[in-house]
Amino acid sequence: SQQGEEDPQALSIQEGENATMNCSYKTSINNLQWYRQNSGRGLVHLILIRSNEREKHSGRLRVTLDTSKKSSSLLITASRAADTASYFCATDGLDSSYKLIFGSGTRLLVRP
Amino acid sequence: DGGITQSPKYLFRKEGQNVTLSCEQNLNHDAMYWYRQDPGQGLRLIYYSQIVNDFQKGDIAEGYSVSREKKESFPLTVTSAQKNPTAFYLCASSSWGQGNTEAFFGQGTRLTVV
Repeated sequence: SQQGEEDPQALSIQEGENATMNCSYKTSINNLQWYRQNSGRGLVHLILIRSNEREKHSGRLRVTLDTSKKSSSLLITASRAADTASYFCATDGLDSSYKLIFGSGTRLLVRP
Repeated sequence: DGGITQSPKYLFRKEGQNVTLSCEQNLNHDAMYWYRQDPGQGLRLIYYSQIVNDFQKGDIAEGYSVSREKKESFPLTVTSAQKNPTAFYLCASSSWGQGNTEAFFGQGTRLTVV
């Protein structure tokens, strides 16, 4: 079973707008990560947030984590056509070290 | 260059055949993973390995087998017992040190049953 579930499944926005995608998970975690996948390619790591952190920034990316709700959000500001990709959250559980579980992903389309 | 390499990029298998997908990393990572991705779907964990000569089943291990004889290599065999093997297979590795669980991915192998 997948640990994380992303919402929405698909998102279409205009270039310059912000994109927000959410991830919910089921069990307690050590860390939560976000990855990006261009069509037909491998995944690329974007950002990691630890369970004792609430917010983290990296360039145009902002990630929040709410462990009480078992949820995280990824905000991409001032989106560009090149941001078009699928975005996945991944978690490693407290009781399952090394086991990295991915969610179902959000497909983002940024229209020029 | 350091990285993780999967081969081949495309693989065709006849029904009833076993095939082996290669995954090699020169990042000196302890942990390695195999995932399966179906069209428009997320990644599902097949097997993972924390250390040489040790590996654990993921969520969809049936019909697959792995070995970890060397730190650098984690080949995946898709056996004839896997009823629907057509998918995109991704290998990853991670150092898993000091709480850093960032995974590095190969470019994937697309397996098609013909």
